[in-house]
Amino acid sequence: NAGVTQTPKFRVLKTGQSMTLLCAQDMNHEYMYWYRQDPGMGLRLIHYSVGEGTTAKGEVPDGYNVSRLKKQNFLLGLESAAPSQTSVYFCASSSGTSGGQETQYFGPGTRLLVL
Amino acid sequence: AQSVTQLGSHVSVSEGALVLLRCNYSSSVPPYLFWYVQYPNQGLQLLLKYTSAATLVKGINGFEAEFKKSETSFHLTKPSAHMSDAAEYFCAVSDRPGRRALTFGSGTRLQVQP
Repeated sequence: NAGVTQTPKFRVLKTGQSMTLLCAQDMNHEYMYWYRQDPGMGLRLIHYSVGEGTTAKGEVPDGYNVSRLKKQNFLLGLESAAPSQTSVYFCASSSGTSGGQETQYFGPGTRLLVL
Repeated sequence: AQSVTQLGSHVSVSEGALVLLRCNYSSSVPPYLFWYVQYPNQGLQLLLKYTSAATLVKGINGFEAEFKKSETSFHLTKPSAHMSDAAEYFCAVSDRPGRRALTFGSGTRLQVQP
């Protein structure tokens, strides 16, 4: 099992450009999450999904959109990138079967630089 | 709403010394608590978790944590630090029920001196 994979690993964008980050998991997990990590702030939840075809906002959703068309994939889109979106983005997944005590499995991260 | 506070953004210990990383939480319901470790340029890996079964939780790589409800704490310890323990450590609390997302502390970077 590959676990959780993310593409790309690193990307440089110019302000105003758009891009999509792809997350894939092969564990048949129901729940998937996108977090961003900034220095001194830990990880913050951007969007999440509790199943195929469903998405919802987290704490810092502005400037991002998501889609979960297939159970194994969770896409994060930036429509018009801003320097404030320079960050490391992590995708995670969990089974959703243990009422919140289940482990979240994280991908290796995508480092995004917006100039 | 839940929150997590990690005291000390940087902790430095000598190899072989005790490791103590502090975590305090705030939750309106009995919490599920987690410690994750992040090695340089990698994703997060679960060290251990508290799920109300036992207050002293043992994890991987010799780490353990004790849940103390009266102190709202979940400090991480390891009796003897190893060079390979150098990493960033995150304490987190889980929502429940509902979205089951994690609320993270700001992280503690552990440095191990030879």
